[in-house]
Parts: sequence; structure tokens; C-alpha cells
Amino acid sequence: AQKITQTQPGMFVQEKEAVTLDCTYDTSDPSYGLFWYKQPSSGEMIFLIYQGSYDQQNATEGRYSLNFQKARKSANLVISASQLGDSAMYFCAMRPKMDTGRRALTFGSGTRLQVQP
Amino acid sequence: DAGVTQSPTHLIKTRGQQVTLRCSPKSGHDTVSWYQQALGQGPQFIFQYYEEEERQRGNFPDRFSGHQFPNYSSELNVNALLLGDSALYLCASSSTGHYGYTFGSGTRLTVV
Repeated sequence: AQKITQTQPGMFVQEKEAVTLDCTYDTSDPSYGLFWYKQPSSGEMIFLIYQGSYDQQNATEGRYSLNFQKARKSANLVISASQLGDSAMYFCAMRPKMDTGRRALTFGSGTRLQVQP
Repeated sequence: DAGVTQSPTHLIKTRGQQVTLRCSPKSGHDTVSWYQQALGQGPQFIFQYYEEEERQRGNFPDRFSGHQFPNYSSELNVNALLLGDSALYLCASSSTGHYGYTFGSGTRLTVV
């Protein structure tokens, strides 16, 4: 079984500052993928960034980076230079690696980020 | 290139009724997964369809059923609706051999 824990129900950040959203996970799978999604009020889940458990380097996508610490089972999302449009719910998710045939995503409870001007 | 399309966007049903939600996957995707997202919570996996068969199922009762058509589109059916079935239902599509998932905007179901 897999479990994702997001301990920050809500976060505030000033525009143009960086913010870190926490995510810890638990799994018995030897290899897995970790995802971060953004969900604005419209409801759509927007993919932000992906990290494979055996990737040597931390993933980066523009202003998003993933601080992956495998030994600590953490996969924190760092957003640099926050923008007002970053205000949304953020979900951490994981799934077993592709070749197991099981590709269901397990989500955390989410963090609501509010960017203040 | 169209993403994932879900219909309807909103729906109100009465307790005990049945409902069908529809999903068209992103072009080139062959796998469809359905998720239920209650208010204030993360999405919960319902089931996944590939090659017109249910491949994996989450912890949901048999009242939840689905179907995948030859064109990869999918339906989610819920029978004997309960008030607790009120939620946002998200469809996600993916393709074999790739890790990415594309989500639709969801169907917001309200059971009264």
C-alpha cells in the first residue's frame, strides 16, 4: 500500500518569494514515481513535475523544483518567485513504477497556497 | 490538441437515482482512470480501464461501474446514489509506456 502525507493544510507566501510545500510518502514498492499537481478553483488537475525514485538528480520544471530525499521519504515542492496565479490547491501523488502494470495514483490531502501581493 | 473532455460539468441527482458520467481521453492516450474527490480532500482512485477492460479497482462498492469503448472513451456509472456520493469526479488519461497523466476538469455531482 502507498500513503502520501501533506501536513500543511494552508500556506501563505508573499508575491515574488519562494515557498516549499511538504510531502512525505510511504511505500513498499522498490521503484515508484512522485508527482505534484496544481488544482485551481476550476477543478482541473494540472501536472507540475515528476520525479522517479531512481532519478539521480532532483527534477526541475521552470519555477518548480522537487527536493527529493529518498532516505527521508520526502518529496517537497519548491516554487520560486511566487506569482498571484500560483494561488491554488497543490497535491502530491505517487504510483508504482510503470512496468508493474499498476498505475493508479495515490494522492495526499493537499495544501492550499495563497500568494499575497 | 484537445485534452481530456468530461461531460456534463455539473449534475444534480436525487438519492437513489442512477448517473452516468462521460470522459473522452486526450488524443493518443489509451488508458482512462476515474477518481472521486470529496470536498476538501485529495482524489481517491475508483478504477482504471485499458483495452476495454477494468484493470485495477480502488476501494469502491459495486454501485460504481464503468466501461471503455473501442475509441478509448469511458463512462462511469453510479447506481443507487447516496448523499455521500456528492463529489467532483475526475477522469485522467494516459498512454502505455509513459508516466504522464492528463486530467479533465471534472464533473461536479450533487446528490440531494
